[in-house]
Amino acid sequence: EVQLVESGGGLVKPGGSLRLSCAASGFTFSNAWMSWVRQAPGKGLEWVGRIKSNADGGTTDNAAPVKGRFTISRDDSKNMLYLQMNSLKTEDTAVYYCTRRRAVAGKGLFDYWGQGTLVTVSS
Amino acid sequence: QSVLTQSPSTSGTPGQGVTISCSGSRSNIGGSTVNWYQQLPGTAPKLLIYSNNQRPSGVPDRFSGSKSGTSASLAISGLQSEDEADYYCAAWDDSLNGWVFGGGTKLTVL
Repeated sequence: EVQLVESGGGLVKPGGSLRLSCAASGFTFSNAWMSWVRQAPGKGLEWVGRIKSNADGGTTDNAAPVKGRFTISRDDSKNMLYLQMNSLKTEDTAVYYCTRRRAVAGKGLFDYWGQGTLVTVSS
Repeated sequence: QSVLTQSPSTSGTPGQGVTISCSGSRSNIGGSTVNWYQQLPGTAPKLLIYSNNQRPSGVPDRFSGSKSGTSASLAISGLQSEDEADYYCAAWDDSLNGWVFGGGTKLTVL
């Protein structure tokens, strides 16, 4: 059974840093492209960024609002995905979801989602 | 403002059908496939439709998707109370080099 379990959320002051973790199980993590998606309170879904598998280069892409502040990384030996968040702003307050990307005929989809972890940026 | 445009809300009575639309552009819907996600209250999103019109295993055939040009639609027939949820469309955007979502449509089953 595929499981994605996020952790590391909490309350942080503006300008602060936080690292989120996502523990993956039930599939071959090293083969998977992974993404972070967030949802501000009462708002819609927003893609944060992704990391490809190391076999596909291990490169990352981030959404414009977090570029230069957030870094996605992975540790395939531990089946772990990370989101390092620096220079946090109040508008980064959201539930952060870890998602697995699967490809069908070359097109992606998010087939599994974690339960999410809440990040609150407030003074 | 979301890159993909959805109506904020819709409603229907049990047994009825509803359609949720999603409008984009050539860089996203027009050049890619559309996925739909269902988010029940207080839970994580769940994949509902992928590749415009494909249902994952376990999704009832009351749910169907379609795409035409730069727009997509999710149709739900035979509404049930458990369908009350937020529905999001999503597509890859070649110009932004990232995934874009619609703002979500809240479905109320009256």
